Amino acid sequence: AQRVTQPEKLLSVFKGAPVELKCNYSYSGSPELFWYVQYSRQRLQLLLRHISRESIKGFTADLNKGETSFHLKKPFAQEEDSAMYYCALSGSGNEKLTFGTGTRLTIIP
Amino acid sequence: KAGVTQTPRYLIKTRGQQVTLSCSPISGHRSVSWYQQTPGQGLQFLFEYFSETQRNKGNFPGRFSGRQFSNSRSEMNVSTLELGDSALYLCASSHRGTGGMNTEAFFGQGTRLTVV
Repeated sequence: AQRVTQPEKLLSVFKGAPVELKCNYSYSGSPELFWYVQYSRQRLQLLLRHISRESIKGFTADLNKGETSFHLKKPFAQEEDSAMYYCALSGSGNEKLTFGTGTRLTIIP
Repeated sequence: KAGVTQTPRYLIKTRGQQVTLSCSPISGHRSVSWYQQTPGQGLQFLFEYFSETQRNKGNFPGRFSGRQFSNSRSEMNVSTLELGDSALYLCASSHRGTGGMNTEAFFGQGTRLTVV
């Protein structure tokens, strides 16, 4: 069975401080990991995926297979980062996404 | 290019009724997935259609069904509605890649279903 765990439901960080949103997964095989974000009154959208190894809006995430983690990081938080963040997993070639419960990130000015 | 469109945006139904939700994917996308989002369970996968065939199914009762048309538009149907079916139903489309690599899923705004 595949499972995604986001241990923090809420996270508040001061503007300019580093941000880390935790994500751990369980999957027997080679998973594909994603971070999706939902800004206020907007639709769910892809932030980044581990395969592309890109940095989007200053966010990065490294897949650690040993610790089965895919934590999302940003060195300096900005107010516009306030949103709901979901970690998600899919099996290779399988469109089904298994989502974590999400972390609501609030950036304090 | 137009995004994923879901209709209607809001629905109120009575217990025992049935409901049909519609999803128009991004042009060229052949994979359409449906998710249920509730405060208690979060985002849960319902099913995925590709080229009019259901390829994946989540752990939902048979009251939840779907279909996909030749133009890739998809509908999901819920029969004999229960209070617990109240949720935001999200549709996502993707251009299924080759070589087993998944491509980005684009989500619609969702249909908010309230069962009273």
